[in-house]
Amino acid sequence: EPEVTQTPSHQVTQMGQEVILRCVPISNHLYFYWYRQILGQKVEFLVSFYNNEISEKSEIFDDQFSVERPDGSNFTLKIRSTKLEDSAMYFCASRSDRTGNTIYFGEGSWLTVV
Amino acid sequence: KQEVTQIPAALSVPEGENLVLNCSFTDSAIYNLQWFRQDPGKGLTSLLLIQSSQREQTSGRLNASLDKSSGRSTLYIAASQPGDSATYLCAVSQAGTALIFGKGTTLSVSS
Repeated sequence: EPEVTQTPSHQVTQMGQEVILRCVPISNHLYFYWYRQILGQKVEFLVSFYNNEISEKSEIFDDQFSVERPDGSNFTLKIRSTKLEDSAMYFCASRSDRTGNTIYFGEGSWLTVV
Repeated sequence: KQEVTQIPAALSVPEGENLVLNCSFTDSAIYNLQWFRQDPGKGLTSLLLIQSSQREQTSGRLNASLDKSSGRSTLYIAASQPGDSATYLCAVSQAGTALIFGKGTTLSVSS
């Protein structure tokens, strides 16, 4: 079964450093997402991406965050200057269409900011 | 603002029991509702997707129902097994594409 893959699985970074989390969505999917889950909290939406641009973003997704699809397969989330409160599991997801079909999640990238 | 609540927060049952997990949402204007399974430290695995026009969906021992007007969904697990132990998340999709999640029900099935 096709799957969403994410790298790295775990990253420890110092406060103020830039971090890039990478994702390879399912190949024929058109909609891509980043969610995050702080330990013990709900899964929260960050941003959705379609046709090479952001289609929706949450209040969490401020100027410190950016997304990019640098080539035909990768989808990245960049955090410019990490803060302690950015420590969380970050999930990439993809879907074939806007709302009708199942959304598929990756295994997550666990980010620890120290 | 849409809020999704899941009750109970945790549930422990012996193997073989049938059980029901509950999900409620405050705004009935949803496109669909999805149930996920999350194992500790892992990603989210989609179990069932119910479109807003549907009343229920079934997959194996799982059955999910949706009552949009009352803002409720249930996930029924028949003949529970230790391998069913995980956190079960409910999420709704509204006019945008973002999923709004509940906090989940952590299920423990003992053998």
